[in-house]
Amino acid sequence: EIQMTQSPPSQSASVGETVTISCRASQNIATFLSWYQQLPGQAPRILMYTVSMLSSGVPSRFAGRGSGKDFSLTITGLQPEDFATYFCQQTYGTPYTFGQGTTVEV
Amino acid sequence: QVQLQESGPRQVEPSATLSLTCGVSEGSLGTYYWSWIRQSPGKGLEWIAHITKDGTTDFNPSLESRVTIFMDTSKNQFSLGLSQVTAADTAKYYCAREYNLGFDHWGRGILVTVS
Repeated sequence: EIQMTQSPPSQSASVGETVTISCRASQNIATFLSWYQQLPGQAPRILMYTVSMLSSGVPSRFAGRGSGKDFSLTITGLQPEDFATYFCQQTYGTPYTFGQGTTVEV
Repeated sequence: QVQLQESGPRQVEPSATLSLTCGVSEGSLGTYYWSWIRQSPGKGLEWIAHITKDGTTDFNPSLESRVTIFMDTSKNQFSLGLSQVTAADTAKYYCAREYNLGFDHWGRGILVTVS
């Protein structure tokens, strides 16, 4: 099973700031990585496929980078609706696995 | 816009079988892969299993011995069975569609408590 490790577990930020979340895989997963956003009480929502491809309707202030084992999600110009928990997920192989999440909070 | 809706009992007794169904709003079961995922405070998001468009299945090895998944295309739904449940199986269960190497549509989730 591929382990996904996110850091930091939580991050304080303000509107307008830039936030970067890291995700590391326990083995090489090439670019088979997706990012999700979860608001309290809601299901996760996909932000990005294959590291950097934005899902439909996701604003361009979200950007993904990386390959192999190390990945990052950057939110440039944080908006009030961006305060949420973010998860990475590997789709390199089953069982699909998720990171433990990073909560971006005020 | 496809919609998914989980249904089933919200409380299950220990050692019983948890049974959930996911209704899909459009007749697209035969086109995509369909997954069950659960989320608990202790274990985060955990992929349980999926069923592919041709009916083949794949399971998380940690749960494989207790999980069944099947689809009914005539009813536009797919289902999850998890046997011999314990308190560790208490979680919010989601059904989701796999597309383009990610889960692009999710149900709202159903909280199932084992007690």
